[in-house]
Amino acid sequence: GNSVTQMEGPVTLSEEAFLTINCTYTATGYPSLFWYVQYPGEGLQLLLKATKADDKGSNKGFEATYRKETTSFHLEKGSVQVSDSAVYFCALEGEDGQNFVFGPGTRLSVLP
Amino acid sequence: EPEVTQTPSHQVTQMGQEVILRCVPISNHLYFYWYRQILGQKVEFLVSFYNNEISEKSEIFDDQFSVERPDGSNFTLKIRSTKLEDSAMYFCASSGDRSSYEQYFGPGTRLTVT
Repeated sequence: GNSVTQMEGPVTLSEEAFLTINCTYTATGYPSLFWYVQYPGEGLQLLLKATKADDKGSNKGFEATYRKETTSFHLEKGSVQVSDSAVYFCALEGEDGQNFVFGPGTRLSVLP
Repeated sequence: EPEVTQTPSHQVTQMGQEVILRCVPISNHLYFYWYRQILGQKVEFLVSFYNNEISEKSEIFDDQFSVERPDGSNFTLKIRSTKLEDSAMYFCASSGDRSSYEQYFGPGTRLTVT
């Protein structure tokens, strides 16, 4: 079945550091890929998405590119802020419309 | 901006009791979902619902669980006889069509079974 793997956290960075959170997936065909963010005490918010190969999703300074050849969708941000501290979930929906499969989440802590 | 709401925000119940978690999806949405997140673990799909019936469910969604859309606005998840391992955050989501990138999540209900 479909699955999503993320780098294990927690990830601790200083403000203005560069962020990469790795995400790889296993799925047949061409799934849609997503990054969700969960701020402390809150629900899930869609951060960005990509629905076909080579698409780049971007939002709030975060980017991720759908790489079919490496089955990856790594999340990046050039300069993180304290307010980016949250748990980040990579997720996919299968090409056949199967419901979401979430990765285990990566906790990011940004220190001032 | 329209949003999905959930009540209560926190529910504490004793093992063996029935609980009903409530969700109000976005008003013109047609597809409804429940997900579960055990503390510190990943988000897991439970069930999807469309046209007044379950369209898909996971192996977690056993006979102890049921969903209902009792009126035009609410979408409920019932756990018939709660177990300790049902303690989790439960998220409701809705979407306007089958394109999941339009899936909007509620803030969650934290269920604690003692």
